[in-house]
Amino acid sequence: AGLTQPPSVSKGLRQTATLTCTGHRTNVGNEGAAWLRQHQGHPPKLLSYRNNNRPSDISERFSASRSGDTASLTITGLQPEDEAEYYCSAWDINLSAWVFGGGTKLTVL
Amino acid sequence: QVQLVESGGGVIQPGRSLRLSCVGSGLSFTNNIMHWVRQTPGKGLEWVAVIWYAGDKTHADSVKGRFSISTDNFNNTMYLEMTSLTPEDTALYFCAKEADGFDVWGQGTMVTVSS
Repeated sequence: AGLTQPPSVSKGLRQTATLTCTGHRTNVGNEGAAWLRQHQGHPPKLLSYRNNNRPSDISERFSASRSGDTASLTITGLQPEDEAEYYCSAWDINLSAWVFGGGTKLTVL
Repeated sequence: QVQLVESGGGVIQPGRSLRLSCVGSGLSFTNNIMHWVRQTPGKGLEWVAVIWYAGDKTHADSVKGRFSISTDNFNNTMYLEMTSLTPEDTALYFCAKEADGFDVWGQGTMVTVSS
């Protein structure tokens, strides 16, 4: 019942990375996904919610979208500090529970 | 500035109980949706429980009947009572505030269940 994310993505400095998160009509397909970033040894940080709403302290380089049951996070102009683990999350209306993806490790080459 | 600080973790034997605390500053638990989320060492995030404004609560199936989330609104503290602990409950436990996604997180408190 969890969300599916690719385990790893590698892109070059200043390139664009698109991370995907596949769920179900009862979670991602219902209200969309929220995206979190986690650097090693730190708690997660919210990047976007309800598909493409960003907290005020998050750079415009981060944008989110959804198509059907799949959510995407696009990061433009990759910087070394973007290297981190990225998680998607969504409320599942059938399970009455939050579900997370397994995370994608983004490597900036 | 909103801040959450967890405590109460430690090493505990299987079958025993433990209570985690999450103290909030800069916010009121009565006006917010609060969660516990855990992270197994080196692995991903797993949602554990939520408590809503009116005190309604929901727990993940993996902990239902063993864990219980609660709040002390006077002291702005949230708790996670954990009973019948197993090695599979070993994780870093975070408390988090929800506002369209988990927008504020504590640093976490580590629970290790081992004999």
